[in-house]
Amino acid sequence: AQSVAQPEDQVNVAEGNPLTVKCTYSVSGNPYLFWYVQYPNRGLQFLLKYITGDNLVKGSYGFEAEFNKSQTSFHLKKPSALVSDSALYFCAALGGGSQGNLIFGKGTKLSVKP
Amino acid sequence: KAGVTQTPRYLIKTRGQQVTLSCSPISGHRSVSWYQQTPGQGLQFLFEYFSETQRNKGNFPGRFSGRQFSNSRSEMNVSTLELGDSALYLCASSGSGAPVYEQYFGPGTRLTVT
Repeated sequence: AQSVAQPEDQVNVAEGNPLTVKCTYSVSGNPYLFWYVQYPNRGLQFLLKYITGDNLVKGSYGFEAEFNKSQTSFHLKKPSALVSDSALYFCAALGGGSQGNLIFGKGTKLSVKP
Repeated sequence: KAGVTQTPRYLIKTRGQQVTLSCSPISGHRSVSWYQQTPGQGLQFLFEYFSETQRNKGNFPGRFSGRQFSNSRSEMNVSTLELGDSALYLCASSGSGAPVYEQYFGPGTRLTVT
């Protein structure tokens, strides 16, 4: 079965420090991978995606993600965290059948302290 | 363009009742997907509609159903509500004019079953 794992329920970072939110995947075929962010009482906002090409993907709000095929990982990173980055982050992979079927990880709560 | 809209935003129902949720996609988008978000199970794919046809379906009981209209608006229906159906229901749209594989989420409908 295809799955996405986010091993950390919560990540705490000081403002200005780099942040990493981890994600590993298990999918058949070529992986199509995504990061979404959710703020309280809001829907999910797209951050970035990996479809093919460069292993380092740049996205919105200064976020980037590194695709590592050998480790089946797709970690989200940002060089300098902001308090406003505090939110719930979801890693997702495209499931089979169509492009509307996303398999999500459990989510990681990012807390950035001043 | 206006974003994805979902109505109602909040809903309280009693066990055994049925409920219908509505989703209006971004103008021009023809694909609408539905997801259920709960603290225990996280985000789970319900189904996807494209041009009024169900294109993909997740692993949910038959009490969960949906449809899509010719203007791409979609509804999902849950019959014989159970306490475990309490969740945030998110819809997402994608399609013409949007980058491939990117989904745009609405704010969700918070359903509480008592």
